[in-house]
Amino acid sequence: DGGITQSPKYLFRKEGQNVTLSCEQNLNHDAMYWYRQDPGQGLRLIYYSQIVNDFQKGDIAEGYSVSREKKESFPLTVTSAQKNPTAFYLCASRGTGSVSMNTEAFFGQGTRLTVV
Amino acid sequence: AQSVTQLDSQVPVFEEAPVELRCNYSSSVSVYLFWYVQYPNQGLQLLLKYLSGSTLVKSINGFEAEFNKSQTSFHLRKPSVHISDTAEYFCAVSKTGGFKTIFGAGTRLFVKA
Repeated sequence: DGGITQSPKYLFRKEGQNVTLSCEQNLNHDAMYWYRQDPGQGLRLIYYSQIVNDFQKGDIAEGYSVSREKKESFPLTVTSAQKNPTAFYLCASRGTGSVSMNTEAFFGQGTRLTVV
Repeated sequence: AQSVTQLDSQVPVFEEAPVELRCNYSSSVSVYLFWYVQYPNQGLQLLLKYLSGSTLVKSINGFEAEFNKSQTSFHLRKPSVHISDTAEYFCAVSKTGGFKTIFGAGTRLFVKA
């Protein structure tokens, strides 16, 4: 079945450590996104990528980094510079072909990161 | 730039009662509008979308939303809710042909027996 897989589902990190969240899709989508979700704040865009080897900062990119070396993969690294990393992280993808066929984002099941 | 306002953070309702979740957006350009649903500790799933044409759009599980351009609204309604509809609902907007989707803060729907 086509879809987006995020791993791990739960992740614990000690303060000062970097951690990488995985996101893989087999939908053949060009565009991929990372969102952060905090209670009462909806989804905030961290980074997005429209095509392989290219990505742009979203609204809250500080303390995060990404790479897009393969179309299927868009890993997110939460660095020690992120002051409040505890949150639910969601990865999404979207097609970019025919405008009428590629309008909505498809989401993974999320990774809950907790700093201990 | 686009923005989305969901007017209610929480909506409690009894089973089999009607419900309306309100969403207003702002944009100076043509947009697509979406409603997504999120169950606890899961990702978002598309509920319904408005792209063009008929202003009333429906989902397979009884929800419907109406695009009102003059009031810049896209309210979600269901005539009779079930316990299983308890979830968080997000309204979202994207510029026609754009890459970014802007989400509202979400509305938690609690359906009580």
